[in-house]
Amino acid sequence: DTGVSQDPRHKITKRGQNVTFRCDPISEHNRLYWYRQTLGQGPEFLTYFQNEAQLEKSRLLSDRFSAERPKGSFSTLEIQRTEQGDSAMYLCASSAGQNYGYTFGSGTRLTVV
Amino acid sequence: GQQLNQSPQSMFIQEGEDVSMNCTSSSIFNTWLWYKQEPGEGPVLLIALYKAGELTSNGRLTAQFGITRKDSFLNISASIPSDVGIYFCAGPDYSGNTGKLIFGQGTTLQVKP
Repeated sequence: DTGVSQDPRHKITKRGQNVTFRCDPISEHNRLYWYRQTLGQGPEFLTYFQNEAQLEKSRLLSDRFSAERPKGSFSTLEIQRTEQGDSAMYLCASSAGQNYGYTFGSGTRLTVV
Repeated sequence: GQQLNQSPQSMFIQEGEDVSMNCTSSSIFNTWLWYKQEPGEGPVLLIALYKAGELTSNGRLTAQFGITRKDSFLNISASIPSDVGIYFCAGPDYSGNTGKLIFGQGTTLQVKP
């Protein structure tokens, strides 16, 4: 297992377009997290899955954002009608149970122009 | 709410020097984590601390869990150029039982060869 994979690594999109990111966690990890990181800041929690159930969403996650984890394996994060303020690094992480030392992917850098 | 404050915000040191950085909070934490992030990559876990007063090493890195449970320290001895990056402290968000983390704003380390 090569760790947490995220695709794409970089995405440039025009304002108003929809984008979708994919995360493949470590196979035996049942918990999956999405974080967002802007320049000069630490990662901020967006949402969390335990297996296929989405158990918590941050207030940062407006109704333009949706995340899924079908069958408890990979996850997707979709942003509809992107805005310039959505430009950030989107990080995915996974863990086995409530293990705080989870493993992050390399992230998807989104630029909205 | 829970917040983590890191200092210093940035450091520029000479190769071979020792480095010390810290993380403080007004809230008590039962777990402290230290991550390192290199440009264009996700954070990588360096050290996890689970008990007040605990001192844990990982190679040239040593971290301590403060006895008040409101702070933690990370030391790097004999710095080398590959130590360059942003160092984040993190702790559990106790507002829910989800395993999500709160991150500090990071300490940026630059090492001059």
